[in-house]
Amino acid sequence: DIQMTQSPSSLSVSLGDNVTFTCEASENIYGFLAWYQQKLGKAPKLLIYGATNLEDGVPTRFSGSGSWTNYSLTISSLEPEDIATYYCQNNHVYPLTFGSGTKLEIK
Amino acid sequence: EVQLVESGGGLVQPGRSLKLSCVASGFTFSNYGMNWIRQAPGKGLEWVAYISSGSSYIYYAETVKGRFTISRDNAKNTLYLQMTSLRSEDTALYYCASRLHGVIRDWGQGVMVTVSS
Repeated sequence: DIQMTQSPSSLSVSLGDNVTFTCEASENIYGFLAWYQQKLGKAPKLLIYGATNLEDGVPTRFSGSGSWTNYSLTISSLEPEDIATYYCQNNHVYPLTFGSGTKLEIK
Repeated sequence: EVQLVESGGGLVQPGRSLKLSCVASGFTFSNYGMNWIRQAPGKGLEWVAYISSGSSYIYYAETVKGRFTISRDNAKNTLYLQMTSLRSEDTALYYCASRLHGVIRDWGQGVMVTVSS
């Protein structure tokens, strides 16, 4: 199975900050990487698919990058509604695997 | 509007069985692969099972293989998860989620399964 390693596990941030999360796959996933945002008590929401493609309706302050085994999600100028936990996901092969998540907290 | 509505959860004793359902609306259910994904309280996301649009391809996580069975009825726009030999570690919020062109895009609100004596 492909292991997805996310870092950091939590991040204390200020509104207006630029924030970057990283995700490393244990083997090449050929850009089949998705990022999800999960707010407390809610289902996950797709933000990015194919490593770099912004899902319809997602603000353009979210962006994804990466290839092979290394990927990142960046939020430019953090807004209050961005406080959530973010998960990366191997979308290349089954079993689909998720990273352990990065929880954003306000400093 | 896409809707996925799970049901069938509850409190069940270890070793017993439970069947979850997920009714889909707002999209052509028969064109989409479907997944069950779970989240234990306070924990991360764990993919559980997948079934292709025509039920030709089915995959399971190792943690549930041999105990859980995913199925679907395209005529009823419904996805199922039959869970047997339940364990305490199966306690989680279970989401159904649709997959098209390799992307899991839409999720239900989840249904809670608690395995406890």
